[in-house]
Amino acid sequence: AQRVTQPEKLLSVFKGAPVELKCNYSYSGSPELFWYVQYSRQRLQLLLRHISRESIKGFTADLNKGETSFHLKKPFAQEEDSAMYYCARRIQGAQKLVFGQGTRLTINP
Amino acid sequence: EAGVAQSPRYKIIEKRQSVAFWCNPISGHATLYWYQQILGQGPKLLIQFQNNGVVDDSQLPKDRFSAERLKGVDSTLKIQPAKLEDSAVYLCASSLGTGGWEQYFGPGTRLTVT
Repeated sequence: AQRVTQPEKLLSVFKGAPVELKCNYSYSGSPELFWYVQYSRQRLQLLLRHISRESIKGFTADLNKGETSFHLKKPFAQEEDSAMYYCARRIQGAQKLVFGQGTRLTINP
Repeated sequence: EAGVAQSPRYKIIEKRQSVAFWCNPISGHATLYWYQQILGQGPKLLIQFQNNGVVDDSQLPKDRFSAERLKGVDSTLKIQPAKLEDSAVYLCASSLGTGGWEQYFGPGTRLTVT
């Protein structure tokens, strides 16, 4: 099965501190991976995808095939980063996404 | 542009009753998805439509769940009869097509089965 694992359900850091949200996936060919975010009272929305290799809102994520990981990182956390974060992968040959359990990130002032 | 619309936003029913959810995707989006998100878990795909045809319903409990997308636009998801374990948020999403297009999510319908 093509699984996505987010080992931390909760993560709390102080404003200005670095943030790393972990995501591991079960190896299967060439994965296509994403990070989705859900802010309080807002819809689930795409944050970034690995093929774009972009930085969104200061967040970056690098695909590490050796470690089968796609961790989300930000060097200096801001209070507005508090949200629920989901790692997801697209199933090969299909359009559907498989999501991890999610990590609730809280940024303390 | 207007986003994905869903109704109702909240629904409380007793077990063994039936319920239906409605979704209106973004105009022009050919692909529509229904996800189930149980508390504490990530969304799980129930069914995917491409226009009005079903692409994937492998995780849809077909003995009690049904979905349709008549005319390839709006969609309805029905549960009959509901069980306690169906309590969840039901998310609808749409994308322009298959093959890497971004999925846009609706606000979800929170179902509580008592």
